[in-house]
Amino acid sequence: DVKVTQSSRYLVKRTGEKVFLECVQDMDHENMFWYRQDPGLGLRLIYFSYDVKMKEKGDIPEGYSVSREKKERFSLILESASTNQTSMYLCASKPPGANVLTFGAGSRLTVL
Amino acid sequence: GQQVMQIPQYQHVQEGEDFTTYCNSSTTLSNIQWYKQRPGGHPVFLIQLVKSGEVKKQKRLTFQFGEAKKNSSLHITATQTTDVGTYFCAGAPMFSGGYNKLIFGAGTRLAVHP
Repeated sequence: DVKVTQSSRYLVKRTGEKVFLECVQDMDHENMFWYRQDPGLGLRLIYFSYDVKMKEKGDIPEGYSVSREKKERFSLILESASTNQTSMYLCASKPPGANVLTFGAGSRLTVL
Repeated sequence: GQQVMQIPQYQHVQEGEDFTTYCNSSTTLSNIQWYKQRPGGHPVFLIQLVKSGEVKKQKRLTFQFGEAKKNSSLHITATQTTDVGTYFCAGAPMFSGGYNKLIFGAGTRLAVHP
């Protein structure tokens, strides 16, 4: 089974702090994604990457950046956290040519 | 922009009753997927529908894809407490550019009372 691991399940940060959310997948998938999940809004795509060092903006990239230095690892960075970035962040991956996402367990971020 | 509307947002049923959630897309889809997220968990893939008018069954779950490939439904017969969770549809627009973009519905949260 594909495993997508998010390093932090729960984080509490202060406004203005830099936040790193790490995601690692073990199935050599090219495509990796970061979503945020908010009640009533479903899952919204922040950024995705289809190869090492390649990244594309999703629907809500403002306030976020990403890094993909190795194929298995996709990091989401909040340069200066704000309270409206309090959310559940979900990482996902999928192989090329397939459309099915495998999600990590999620990282619940609270920004005070 | 492209949207996938999902209704209802929330439904609670008595165990044994049926349940249906509906998705409608603002654009024609190449395929639609359904995911289930248990309370405290993460979305897990259930099924993908590709063909116009397609119907697929998984035990008590029946999935349909509309003829125009713009809507879909998930029907659960005789709900059980294990069905509790949030059900998401995710549509891939027909012309979404270089990658298979998925647009998620807001989800339907199902509560089942024993």
